[in-house]
Amino acid sequence: GAVVSQHPSRVICKSGTSVKIECRSLDFQATTMFWYRQFPKQSLMLMATSNEGSKATYEQGVEKDKFLINHASLTLSTLTVTSAHPEDSSFYICSARGVGAGNQPQHFGDGTRLSIL
Amino acid sequence: AQSVTQPDIHITVSEGASLELRCNYSYGATPYLFWYVQSPGQGLQLLLKYFSGDTLVQGIKGFEAEFKRSQSSFNLRKPSVHWSDAAEYFCAVGKYSGGGADGLTFGKGTHLIIQP
Repeated sequence: GAVVSQHPSRVICKSGTSVKIECRSLDFQATTMFWYRQFPKQSLMLMATSNEGSKATYEQGVEKDKFLINHASLTLSTLTVTSAHPEDSSFYICSARGVGAGNQPQHFGDGTRLSIL
Repeated sequence: AQSVTQPDIHITVSEGASLELRCNYSYGATPYLFWYVQSPGQGLQLLLKYFSGDTLVQGIKGFEAEFKRSQSSFNLRKPSVHWSDAAEYFCAVGKYSGGGADGLTFGKGTHLIIQP
């Protein structure tokens, strides 16, 4: 149980393109999803917290107009990298936290490798 | 602000030997602590978590971790490693917010190498 699917797994595109990444919780409902970014051989850095039906909360230094987050349902959150540039190339990972009381952990997707040429 | 330190960037262990990965955290309240494992190019798999209760936590794949408040540590252990345990291990701390942990702060990871 607690499977999170992320799509696409890899994308290569030209500079200036906008790229959408999907994060789905397959077998549970998630009111809260998180988006992280990981540079090569580095740790994960939290970008934003996405709550179903409301605006995302961005971490300091993350451009909300650059990284658009939508969480329209209890099983889907999307991250759109707008007008991507080579410096946006990274590994983007989402996680989802289940609904319910108690100490729900985050379950992670397999990540999306974004390469901007 | 919360932080996590994993002092060992790389650790090499012989197959069948015991393992301990260190993790120290800084957090102003009761921490919500996690260990995740990441294989190359993959997402993260939860090994175990601690919020309250028994300070020795059992996880999947034979891993365990012990929460020591006095030392601000949450070290991961395994009595006998297998070649398939080679991966990147991340310790993380989160703020508890009713439903669970909020966005996590991760350590820089420890790369585990298993030698025959």
